[in-house]
Amino acid sequence: GQNIDQPTEMTATEGAIVQINCTYQTSGFNGLFWYQQHAGEAPTFLSYNVLDGLEEKGRFSSFLSRSKGYSYLLLKELQMKDSASYLCARNYGGSQGNLIFGKGTKLSVKP
Amino acid sequence: SQTIHQWPATLVQPVGSPLSLECTVEGTSNPNLYWYRQAAGRGLQLLFYSVGIGQISSEVPQNLSASRPQDRQFILSSKKLLLSDSGFYLCAWRVPGTYEQYFGPGTRLTVT
Repeated sequence: GQNIDQPTEMTATEGAIVQINCTYQTSGFNGLFWYQQHAGEAPTFLSYNVLDGLEEKGRFSSFLSRSKGYSYLLLKELQMKDSASYLCARNYGGSQGNLIFGKGTKLSVKP
Repeated sequence: SQTIHQWPATLVQPVGSPLSLECTVEGTSNPNLYWYRQAAGRGLQLLFYSVGIGQISSEVPQNLSASRPQDRQFILSSKKLLLSDSGFYLCAWRVPGTYEQYFGPGTRLTVT
């Protein structure tokens, strides 16, 4: 199977740190992606992990554990504009680069 | 720099009518192209992908078809729309050999 599981909704406070978890089935794994999608808009690429460990990009970091089939997206110093859905996706299509997406985690940042 | 265009941005069509959505990519050659649908309360679902002109692969059986008449043009079509075809249709591209996919602005289709 190719299920990807992530929480449906999360709420956090402006200025805080939030961690969004994602679990996936490990068979045929070839990379884990995070995308941000604001309401009514297209997803935008945030990060890609293919090796274990933490990748940091400014306020956003993404972690991967291939043996556990687990990833998380860490958002620091939350801002109101970070309110969006965060989509976890894994590559399963080999050279075609096909992705399967989770249903997304809707993050609401409160003042 | 690369850009991706989709049109129309929104569309309301009656059940049984035909559909044609267009996607074009600028600033890159021989991209991999993808059509996704995002229905309310569901995740992004890959519908079709293409690795070159005239080469289309379908991921799920459905009421839709896709074509790639030119290197940077990808078209999604239907002869007769169903209510269940409503959703947010997104085109994406990828440079072969890289990993990230980049999405166009999308078309919001409502079938009534």
